[in-house]
Amino acid sequence: GAVVSQHPSRVICKSGTSVKIECRSLDFQATTMFWYRQFPKQSLMLMATSNEGSKATYEQGVEKDKFLINHASLTLSTLTVTSAHPEDSSFYICSASEGQGGYGYTFGSGTRLTVV
Amino acid sequence: TQLLEQSPQFLSIQEGENLTVYCNSSSVFSSLQWYRQEPGEGPVLLVTVVTGGEVKKLKRLTFQFGDARKDSSLHITAAQPGDTGLYLCAGAGGGTYKYIFGTGTRLKVLA
Repeated sequence: GAVVSQHPSRVICKSGTSVKIECRSLDFQATTMFWYRQFPKQSLMLMATSNEGSKATYEQGVEKDKFLINHASLTLSTLTVTSAHPEDSSFYICSASEGQGGYGYTFGSGTRLTVV
Repeated sequence: TQLLEQSPQFLSIQEGENLTVYCNSSSVFSSLQWYRQEPGEGPVLLVTVVTGGEVKKLKRLTFQFGDARKDSSLHITAAQPGDTGLYLCAGAGGGTYKYIFGTGTRLKVLA
């Protein structure tokens, strides 16, 4: 089945630094990937849609300059949290689908970001 | 903005009991999915339903999509400790494949 790899699984960074999270589709090509954020014991909140070869589409209230998304190839999307602050600490998860997604998305295993 | 409300939010039951989780919205969805998530992991797809009134079974799990495609339910028969987790519904509509997740139901099955 489809596999999505997310790296790193955990990262701790200092306030003011930037962190890059990678999302790779290992055995399929994904023109579209999605980035979610999840707070403890809460559901997933869609942050943005990552489109291969074009700009990402951000959900309302998500700062595009804060959360930079790059989808340079059909198998890789990256999310960079810039000038991180403690309130950016969260669980970030990506997802991708082989087709249009109508039959389910495969999720990465998530990245736990802690900003100190 | 599409909103998916799940109920109950939390559920703690004994092994062997049955339970139902509901996912409701005022919006119509072209398709709806159910996921289960364990702590520290990404959600895992359980099922996708696309037709109003559709019922799908996955071993002890039964999923139903409402006739109007605004709601769905997940019924678990004879729950087991391995069913413990966060259950999430996710719906897509408006001609897109962008899925919005429900508020989640945290299930704990006690041995």
